[in-house]
Amino acid sequence: KAGVTQTPRYLIKTRGQQVTLSCSPISGHRSVSWYQQTPGQGLQFLFEYFSETQRNKGNFPGRFSGRQFSNSRSEMNVSTLELGDSALYLCASSLPGQGDTEAFFGQGTRLTVV
Amino acid sequence: AQSVAQPEDQVNVAEGNPLTVKCTYSVSGNPYLFWYVQYPNRGLQFLLKYITGDNLVKGSYGFEAEFNKSQTSFHLKKPSALVSDSALYFCAVRRGGIYNQGGKLIFGQGTELSVKP
Repeated sequence: KAGVTQTPRYLIKTRGQQVTLSCSPISGHRSVSWYQQTPGQGLQFLFEYFSETQRNKGNFPGRFSGRQFSNSRSEMNVSTLELGDSALYLCASSLPGQGDTEAFFGQGTRLTVV
Repeated sequence: AQSVAQPEDQVNVAEGNPLTVKCTYSVSGNPYLFWYVQYPNRGLQFLLKYITGDNLVKGSYGFEAEFNKSQTSFHLKKPSALVSDSALYFCAVRRGGIYNQGGKLIFGQGTELSVKP
């Protein structure tokens, strides 16, 4: 069974640009969550999508947005990039449940903003 | 508010010795608790979880964890450490039961485990 696939693996962008990251979940997983990982702030929850609807949202500015398609694939977008957005962005998918199913993570997209 | 604390930034253990990575949590209602491991430049790998039932849960690669409700702790343990266990370990919590918020995980800051030969 294929794991969670994130593309691209690495990105370098300039301040002010926007970026779109993609995540393909494990087959059958309908919940997709996104996390930002930085040395200073650790792992922070961005948002979760379930059946094409945003179910949860973390404390990030509106520049961070996402969506989910009917095949459960998800994208996140960051507009007007700032240097502080440099991070490892992780996507996780899980089976539908009551929060008791484990999340499976992709290898992440390393975003560098210069 | 939910929170997870991993009080040790780094744990050093000699190969063959037992290891413990500590985690305490604060959450309303019943907690769903998870441990993940991260190798350099990789995503997180699931090790084990506690949802309900037996307080001692066993997971991948010989790891186990003990849920202690009174101490609000979920420490990760392994009887005999391997050099290959060296990695970054994260404890995470979700609110369970009627407080469930779907897939959202709250992570601790992580503990760097170093196992020396």
